[in-house]
Amino acid sequence: QSALTQPASVSGSPGQSITISCTGTSSDVGGYDSVSWYQQHPGKAPKLMICDVSNRPSGVSNRFSGSKSANTASLTISGLQAEDEAEYYCSSKSSSNTAVFGGGTKVTVL
Amino acid sequence: QVQLQESGPGLVKPSQTLSLTCTVSGGSISSGRYYWSWIRQPAGKGLEWIGRIYTSGSANYNPSLESRVTISLDTSKNQFSLKLSSVTAADTAVYYCARGSYRVDFWGQGTLVTVSS
Repeated sequence: QSALTQPASVSGSPGQSITISCTGTSSDVGGYDSVSWYQQHPGKAPKLMICDVSNRPSGVSNRFSGSKSANTASLTISGLQAEDEAEYYCSSKSSSNTAVFGGGTKVTVL
Repeated sequence: QVQLQESGPGLVKPSQTLSLTCTVSGGSISSGRYYWSWIRQPAGKGLEWIGRIYTSGSANYNPSLESRVTISLDTSKNQFSLKLSSVTAADTAVYYCARGSYRVDFWGQGTLVTVSS
């Protein structure tokens, strides 16, 4: 299985909205509604931000939203804040009951 | 609140077996509701899913690591473990234990394992 494809970096100004894409295949992203998104600050463990494509766990800001179309999932951060600057990873269920992560996207708040 | 804590040697020699244990508190790993996973992250790189185990003992592994990986459960100690054999420098990484597989909601703090002679 290959890693899901994410852009290396995305940037935006405070208050703006940004979208991070996560492209896979019909064997992972396109085949299951089991896409999750994680936020990771330097030196910290990842934090679950979105699960099952578009569900926000309790405590996660509603500025974070997820969606999926065909083999590409997306994470949108609206009203960008300084604290959103971090690395973001997508993951998906893959064939044979395994999981696969994306390569990560560095979000910079300008 | 579920908490997970990795433990094990921080230094492993090439060709040897890496062994880590994850101790879970605040919840029982035998409750039957969750998978328990290992995920790793080389310095400055992305996350890599290693594998997962269910209460029944059924496990699934990353195909690229499957020949070298074993994940096991010890319900009496509320722990699960990772063994990775024939390690090389490429296995140097921070190793995380976690609850869940496609939806990981609790993570350990991570432990750095360096493969070096």
